[in-house]
Amino acid sequence: NAGVMQNPRHLVRRRGQEARLRCSPMKGHSHVYWYRQLPEEGLKFMVYLQKENIIDESGMPKERFSAEFPKEGPSILRIQQVVRGDSAAYFCASSPGTDYGYTFGSGTRLTVV
Amino acid sequence: GNSVTQMEGPVTLSEEAFLTINCTYTATGYPSLFWYVQYPGEGLQLLLKATKADDKGSNKGFEATYRKETTSFHLEKGSVQVSDSAVYFCALSPFQGGSEKLVFGKGMKLTVNP
Repeated sequence: NAGVMQNPRHLVRRRGQEARLRCSPMKGHSHVYWYRQLPEEGLKFMVYLQKENIIDESGMPKERFSAEFPKEGPSILRIQQVVRGDSAAYFCASSPGTDYGYTFGSGTRLTVV
Repeated sequence: GNSVTQMEGPVTLSEEAFLTINCTYTATGYPSLFWYVQYPGEGLQLLLKATKADDKGSNKGFEATYRKETTSFHLEKGSVQVSDSAVYFCALSPFQGGSEKLVFGKGMKLTVNP
C-alpha cells in the first residue's frame, strides 16, 4: 500500500508564475489536509478537503491560493502569481476519517526565484 | 485559541545521553496531543500520541505523558542513538481522539553524535 504521494518533490517558479502541487492520498483515504512549513517554523494548517468538498479552508490565504480534491484524481493545491514569500515546503496528509491519525507525504519544496 | 510551545533548538547530544524536549499547550476543551518526527528531506511521521489526561504514549523508546494539570506533554528518551537525529514537533488537535487541523509547535532539531 503506497503512502501519500506528493509531486513534484521540488518545484522552482519565477515570480508571477503559477505553481500546482499534487497529492495522491493513501488508498482508502478520503480526507486530505494541506500544511505549509516556512523555514525555521512549524507546520501551519491550510485546508481540509474531502472528495469534491472543501471542509475547512480557514488557513488558506485569501488571494492566489486554491485547493481541490476531485472525485477522480489527486488533490491539487494551486498558487497563482507566486511571490518569494510563497517559498516553503508544502505537505499533504491523508486519513480515512476524523478519528484517525494522519499519514503525511514527503512534501513539495517550492522555491520562487 | 489553541497553541503549542516547545523547546527550540538546535540541541546536540552524545549517543546514549538522556533526552527531554519540553512541550506545553494552550487549548479549550480536551485536546489530543502528538509528537511527530521529521527526518531530513522527508515528511512528518507520527511518533506517539495521547488522547486524554494521564495517558502515556510510547514508541521506539520515546515516551510522553499527557499532564492536564501542567498542560504539558514532554518527550523523553533514556538513551538516544545517532539515528534519532531529526526535527521533533509537538502538536495538538482540538478534538479528543481526533486529528483534524493539527496545531504544531515550531519544532526542535536534535543532532546525536557518536
